[in-house]
Amino acid sequence: DAGVIQSPRHEVTEMGQEVTLRCKPISGHDYLFWYRQTMMRGLELLIYFNNNVPIDDSGMPEDRFSAKMPNASFSTLKIQPSEPRDSAVYFCASSLEYTISTDTQYFGPGTRLTVL
Amino acid sequence: KQEVTQIPAALSVPEGENLVLNCSFTDSAIYNLQWFRQDPGKGLTSLLLIQSSQREQTSGRLNASLDKSSGRSTLYIAASQPGDSATYLCAVDPMDSNYQLIWGAGTKLIIKP
Repeated sequence: DAGVIQSPRHEVTEMGQEVTLRCKPISGHDYLFWYRQTMMRGLELLIYFNNNVPIDDSGMPEDRFSAKMPNASFSTLKIQPSEPRDSAVYFCASSLEYTISTDTQYFGPGTRLTVL
Repeated sequence: KQEVTQIPAALSVPEGENLVLNCSFTDSAIYNLQWFRQDPGKGLTSLLLIQSSQREQTSGRLNASLDKSSGRSTLYIAASQPGDSATYLCAVDPMDSNYQLIWGAGTKLIIKP
């Protein structure tokens, strides 16, 4: 398996523009997670899905952020409009159906977003 | 509220030395604790997962221990190599979290040749 795939790897945009980040989880994984990592705040969970359904989006910072998972092999994280403080590395991760104490998350390489 | 702390934030040691990275957490009600490695510009890779009923896990030159009662975990790296240079993060899976890992800030490890 190719692992978790994210695109683009780097994105530079101007304030106010819409940004869409994409993720393809590992085939067969039922859980998908979106994280944001910054130097100041470390790794933060934004939202996660189980079987394509959003389970917890309490980490989504504002209404400018939205995430979808239209099918088991694709998810998007959209920021509209983007702001400079959204600059961060965004990671997607996936895991098998959750069983207590044994499953780990597999991370993609991340998308480095810079909003000017 | 569960909090995870990693000290030190950065560590630099000569190649060949054995070293220990520390992770502490405030609530012992966890399902597991994991150690991850992050290389610059890359994602995170799970190194070891210790279930709450376990005391340690080993993989090659890595050994992770878990002491739930004291809220501590250590990652022991034997015979360090320059390729071990990376940031190491620990994360706990709290029983009250609905599958939200709680992350430490990481320890940046540099192994000097």
